[in-house]
Amino acid sequence: SAVISQKPSRDICQRGTSLTIQCQVDSQVTMMFWYRQQPGQSLTLIATANQGSEATYESGFVIDKFPISRPNLTFSTLTVSNMSPEDSSIYLCSVEGSGTGTYEQYFGPGTRLTVT
Amino acid sequence: QKEVEQDPGPLSVPEGAIVSLNCTYSNSAFQYFMWYRQYSRKGPELLMYTYSSGNKEDGRFTAQVDKSSKYISLFIRDSQPSDSATYLCAMRRGGGNKLTFGTGTQLKVEL
Repeated sequence: SAVISQKPSRDICQRGTSLTIQCQVDSQVTMMFWYRQQPGQSLTLIATANQGSEATYESGFVIDKFPISRPNLTFSTLTVSNMSPEDSSIYLCSVEGSGTGTYEQYFGPGTRLTVT
Repeated sequence: QKEVEQDPGPLSVPEGAIVSLNCTYSNSAFQYFMWYRQYSRKGPELLMYTYSSGNKEDGRFTAQVDKSSKYISLFIRDSQPSDSATYLCAMRRGGGNKLTFGTGTQLKVEL
């Protein structure tokens, strides 16, 4: 499976500011995704990061709040904009389409965000 | 009603016990079923991946899918303290990429 890294691993931010999270994969992958994991809740898909085009957002998530970039097949960023305490969560990137197991999704270690 | 239901636990068992973890779901379009293990402050790790109904075994782990009952299970044999983690079930529709997760079951295997 692919090796996935995320930066930063954690951060504490003030409300009203923005944070950009990076996801780097050690091999080219077909699909990259961004999920949110809030305490006591299931992982929720935010959007699919599309290489060379705009991300595809799930219901309840909008580009102005969560802009996403994917400049190539190994890298993506998620920005959490104009943060509020409700954005405190773990943000995870996942990838699919790496080598064998084409339809298996693998996750990065996550970014733990606290908004004060 | 959530699409995927999973008992959050915590579930505490003695070392060596057989553990049964379960999820139910309501969407009959789900075709692919997964189990992830997540240690504290880590990302989810893919354990098992199955397609449609049936059983799949990998070492001490067995995944079972019963589509007629909309019910999936993960069995862990000879459980070890290192199995202590949160176990997440996930599923997806045929032809889709989106994973729908359960909330996870916290498992503790005690010496």
